[in-house]
Amino acid sequence: NAGVTQTPKFRVLKTGQSMTLLCAQDMNHEYMYWYRQDPGMGLRLIHYSVGEGTTAKGEVPDGYNVSRLKKQNFLLGLESAAPSQTSVYFCASSPDRGDEKLFFGSGTQLSVL
Amino acid sequence: GENVEQHPSTLSVQEGDSAVIKCTYSDSASNYFPWYKQELGKRPQLIIDIRSNVGEKKDQRIAVTLNKTAKHFSLHITETQPEDSAVYFCAATPGANNLFFGTGTRLTVIP
Repeated sequence: NAGVTQTPKFRVLKTGQSMTLLCAQDMNHEYMYWYRQDPGMGLRLIHYSVGEGTTAKGEVPDGYNVSRLKKQNFLLGLESAAPSQTSVYFCASSPDRGDEKLFFGSGTQLSVL
Repeated sequence: GENVEQHPSTLSVQEGDSAVIKCTYSDSASNYFPWYKQELGKRPQLIIDIRSNVGEKKDQRIAVTLNKTAKHFSLHITETQPEDSAVYFCAATPGANNLFFGTGTRLTVIP
């Protein structure tokens, strides 16, 4: 089992460019999440999904979109990147409702210039 | 939504000493309180968790205590070792699998 895999690991964008981060899990988990981690601010939830075909907003959803077309994949999109989106992005998954243990991916370091 | 505050932001202890990290939460409906450890450049990993129907839980050198009345919970690490050096995050959730994280504590264990 690879667990939770994120691609890419690093990316540099110019302001206004777009990109998609891919998260894949092979544990058959129902729930998937996207967090951003900024210095001194902990982990903040961007969007999450409670199952294939569903998405919901978290604490800081503005400027991001997500899709969960397949149960094992959760995509995070930035349509027009801004310097404020420079951050480390973590994808995570959890088995189902009532089992909140998060399994994290290795993270994506994104810089927006 | 839930608001989780964590203190201290940095903590240095001598090897062998104990370390205590404290968190408070705002939503009385929160019922699950995990602690994650993140080593430098690595992903966060769950080290211990507690539910609201339990006051204390231990796993070898780590323990978590919960005071629902005061809405605070703490992580205790005894006999600290250099490999305990990391950033520790507390979290709370009122349900629906949405975890709200504290801002983290950087623990340094001095050999």
